Amino acid sequence: QVQLVESGGGVVQPGRSLRLSCAASGFTFSTFAMHWVRQAPGKGLEWVAAISFDGGNKYYADSVKGRFTISRDNSKNTLYLQMNSLRPDDAAVYYCARDAAHSGFDWLDFWGQGTLVTVSS
Amino acid sequence: SYDLTQPVSVSVALGQTARITCEGYDIGRKNVHWNQQKPGQAPVLVMYNDYRRPSGIPERFSGSNSGNTATLTISRAQAGDEADYYCHVWDSVSGVFGGGTRLTVL
Repeated sequence: QVQLVESGGGVVQPGRSLRLSCAASGFTFSTFAMHWVRQAPGKGLEWVAAISFDGGNKYYADSVKGRFTISRDNSKNTLYLQMNSLRPDDAAVYYCARDAAHSGFDWLDFWGQGTLVTVSS
Repeated sequence: SYDLTQPVSVSVALGQTARITCEGYDIGRKNVHWNQQKPGQAPVLVMYNDYRRPSGIPERFSGSNSGNTATLTISRAQAGDEADYYCHVWDSVSGVFGGGTRLTVL
């Protein structure tokens, strides 16, 4: 069965960096686009970034553009989110999610359980 | 950027029909997807491409999309349907979520 397991969350000071990982299993990771979506405490879902199946196309929300980098290693079935210059408003649960599309981007059919990022001095 | 607007809350009596709307400019031209999120849990896809149900989602869930409004309809509402519901579209180069609707089953 499809499994997405996020890791790498924790407490970090403002201005510092953190790298999240998402280990995928149960499907052919290299043929699906992937996304990061976050949810601040008590708030709604916010799309963060997406990457095509081969890593050739990457897209970002304006709120993270220039600070966050999405990447993937298809040989390791792993998705990453490098987060730099973290701000207090980046604090959230970060979910990785599989895009159902093999080409382009569409709906998110499987989600991980999320990893919590806290930004505080 | 593209905006999606949902009502903050919707209430429905047990066994009745709930309708959750998602408004966006010319949303009828886009593929709309819906995710359900229960407290403390990850979101779960309940509808995709306007009206298609993933396997395992009850037929009580249906969807429509036209003009400036997409709608998720839940018939014969059950206590287990209480959750937050988010509409979602892919808008050319970014994903967009609605603000979410809290469904309460009375």
